[in-house]
Amino acid sequence: GDSVTQMEGPVTLSEEAFLTINCTYTATGYPSLFWYVQYPGEGLQLLLKATKADDKGSNKGFEATYRKETTSFHLEKGSVQVSDSAVYFCALSVRAAGNKLTFGGGTRVLVKP
Amino acid sequence: EAGVVQSPRYKIIEKKQPVAFWCNPISGHNTLYWYRQNLGQGPELLIRYENEEAVDDSQLPKDRFSAERLKGVDSTLKIQPAELGDSAVYLCASTMTSGQETQYFGPGTRLLVL
Repeated sequence: GDSVTQMEGPVTLSEEAFLTINCTYTATGYPSLFWYVQYPGEGLQLLLKATKADDKGSNKGFEATYRKETTSFHLEKGSVQVSDSAVYFCALSVRAAGNKLTFGGGTRVLVKP
Repeated sequence: EAGVVQSPRYKIIEKKQPVAFWCNPISGHNTLYWYRQNLGQGPELLIRYENEEAVDDSQLPKDRFSAERLKGVDSTLKIQPAELGDSAVYLCASTMTSGQETQYFGPGTRLLVL
């Protein structure tokens, strides 16, 4: 079946540090890939997505590139802020499966001033 | 535009009691999903609706869980009787159609079973 594996947290960083969260996947079809973010006390929000190989999704300074050859979709941000403290989820969906989302376990990121 | 609305936001019950969660999707969204998120884990799909039809309920524990989406708009997810292991956050999401990839999530209902 489909699955997503992402690095375990928590990840603790200082403000303005570089952030990378690794994500790899297995899928039976050709998936679309997503990063969702969950801020404290809030619901899941789409951060960025990519729908085909070599696409780069970007939003709020975050980027991730769809790498089919390595089945990866790593999330990066060059300079994090305290407000980026949240839980980040990598996910995939396959159209043939009704686009249900398969999530990784989440990575908690804590940015200290 | 209003987002996905869920109620209640929190619920505490004793085991063996029934509980129900309600979801109102974004207006015009025909596809509705219910997910369960256990503590420290990612959400997992319970059931997907296309309008009023449940088209994927393979992950729904049917011995105690039931769901309905009358008239293809609001949806209710019920657990009867609840068990300790049902403590989780129950999330509702919607899209215009299942062909659309981006799902919009509600804030969730946090259930604690004592």
